[in-house]
Order: sequence, then structure tokens, then C-alpha cells
Amino acid sequence: GESVGLHLPTLSVQEGDNSIINCAYSNSASDYFIWYKQESGKGPQFIIDIRSNMDKRQGQRVTVLLNKTVKHLSLQIAATQPGDSAVYFCADLGGSQGNLIFGKGTKLSVKP
Amino acid sequence: DADVTQTPRNRITKTGKRIMLECSQTKGHDRMYWYRQDPGLGLRLIYYSFDVKDINKGEISDGYSVSRQAQAKFSLSLESAIPNQTALYFCATRGETDTQYFGPGTRLTVL
Repeated sequence: GESVGLHLPTLSVQEGDNSIINCAYSNSASDYFIWYKQESGKGPQFIIDIRSNMDKRQGQRVTVLLNKTVKHLSLQIAATQPGDSAVYFCADLGGSQGNLIFGKGTKLSVKP
Repeated sequence: DADVTQTPRNRITKTGKRIMLECSQTKGHDRMYWYRQDPGLGLRLIYYSFDVKDINKGEISDGYSVSRQAQAKFSLSLESAIPNQTALYFCATRGETDTQYFGPGTRLTVL
């Protein structure tokens, strides 16, 4: 069945460094991908999305890269700040019901 | 997102009790969703609704029911709560784009 997974469950970075969070997906027919940030005690918050006709999209301090050949998605956060500490989820609009399929999440910790 | 609200935010109940979780949105979105979040399992879809008259089961609908009272309101019920329904529950909405917007969540504990 379809699945979206993350390579690493935790990531610790120094403040000011760049962070890269990776995600693999299995449904080659997926045409929409999205990254969410979830802070403790809060709901997932939209960060950035990308469609399958693109391989890169940039936002404010964030970049999403899509490699359809190997079905891999990554989120890059530039100059990581303490406020970036959270769990990051990738999701894929590849569910059989047209729904989002979420990965298990990566916890990003930023060291001052 | 303040445009999507959930009540209650926290609830502790006992096995066998009926529980209703409520979701309201001011985004004007037609599509609404209920998800469950468990540690290590990410978010899983329980039910979704494309409009007031269109309700569909998601991946894990057993033990749950929903009601779409209006475009802005989508409620999730546990008819007879059991301990393995202890989880975080999130409501989400979606408009014309594919982006879903989530509420703050309800932490439910079933003893």
C-alpha cells in the first residue's frame, strides 16, 4: 500500500546551521506533497508544498526538493532558529480516497 | 490556526462512555476531516466530508461516527469509548487548493 516515511526520527542542529529533513514516499502516482510543522501542544501548521511538475520550491527560509526518480522529498531550513524546534511531517496526496498520507514525523531540536 | 477551533481541548473519560468532539471553522471551506494522532504513527484519517451531505469513512473509522451539522461544523463521536482510543484528535479543513489547515487538537484519554 501507499506509505510515506521519514529517514530519521530525530535531528539535532546548532542554531544558525542549515537543517535538512528527508522523506521517502512510495506512491509514484502522487502529484502533491506538503510539509507541516507541529509544535508541542499545537496542531500541524502548513509550511510549504510542491506539485510533481516541479523539483524545487522556495519559501521564506525553507526550500522543498522533490526527486521523483527516487521518490524522495526533503525540507531544507536555512539558518535554523530555536523557534524551528518542532516535529516536521511530510504528507503525500496519494491516498486511495484522495486523502493526505502522513509520515511519522522528524523531531528537530535546535541547540543554542 | 485560529480559523479552525476544536472543543474540548482536553478530555478524560471512562470506558464505555459516549464522547463528542466538536470542530468549527470560519474559513468557509467545504471539506473537513478528522484525524487521529498516535506516537510513532503520524496522523491517520478517521472520516472526511466534502460537504454537508457527503460523508466518507477514512482509514480507521471503526468505533467512530461523525455529523456534519453545517458547512462550518463537523463533529466526531465515540459511541462507546475504549482505552485504545486514547490519542490526539485533529480536525482539518480544505478549500479549493490541496492544502489542509488543522485545528489545535483535542487530547482524549480513555481510562
